[in-house]
Amino acid sequence: LAKTTQPISMDSYEGQEVNITCSHNNIATNDYITWYQQFPSQGPRFIIQGYKTKVTNEVASLFIPADRKSSTLSLPRVSLSDTAVYYCLVDPGGYQKVTFGTGTKLQVIP
Amino acid sequence: KAGVTQTPRYLIKTRGQQVTLSCSPISGHRSVSWYQQTPGQGLQFLFEYFSETQRNKGNFPGRFSGRQFSNSRSEMNVSTLELGDSALYLCASATDQTGRLTEAFFGQGTRLTVV
Repeated sequence: LAKTTQPISMDSYEGQEVNITCSHNNIATNDYITWYQQFPSQGPRFIIQGYKTKVTNEVASLFIPADRKSSTLSLPRVSLSDTAVYYCLVDPGGYQKVTFGTGTKLQVIP
Repeated sequence: KAGVTQTPRYLIKTRGQQVTLSCSPISGHRSVSWYQQTPGQGLQFLFEYFSETQRNKGNFPGRFSGRQFSNSRSEMNVSTLELGDSALYLCASATDQTGRLTEAFFGQGTRLTVV
């Protein structure tokens, strides 16, 4: 199972774009990359998922290079309400368990 | 549309006791996964059920068990509680039949404290 590594914490000012990078050197062919957001005392919330290149939805973009050994979650113009822990996970699907990384605690500063 | 409901929200148990946690998935979702979250170990996968069958299991001792009913509601049981079992227990439901957390919806969790 692919292990993920991401920064423990990041600070950003309100209105800026935030990029959080996750490393997953042992990613397998069938693995998808998924990002979740978690606020204190709440369950994680799905943000975005991708396999390769770039995926964009209404809240974030996900950039995955050709070798897929890393991925970058991009949050445009963050606000104070984006202060949360962001998890990168590699999802193998099928009859295997997923592995959540340690998470990145993002603190948005006014 | 109601979200994932976990009950109870908070629980205090004594070492050696057993506990049962409940999870009601979103209507129409047949996959339910359980996770343990602690400050030291992060979020760890316990097991996943789909249509009343356990499809995936994490690396937890046999004291941790679960089941899923025909209406997709799931229960998790922990026997002979230890202090280290104190954690936030989360369940997630999904429609995905492949076992992939494509768009899993998590409940708010049950905070278990073992004293």
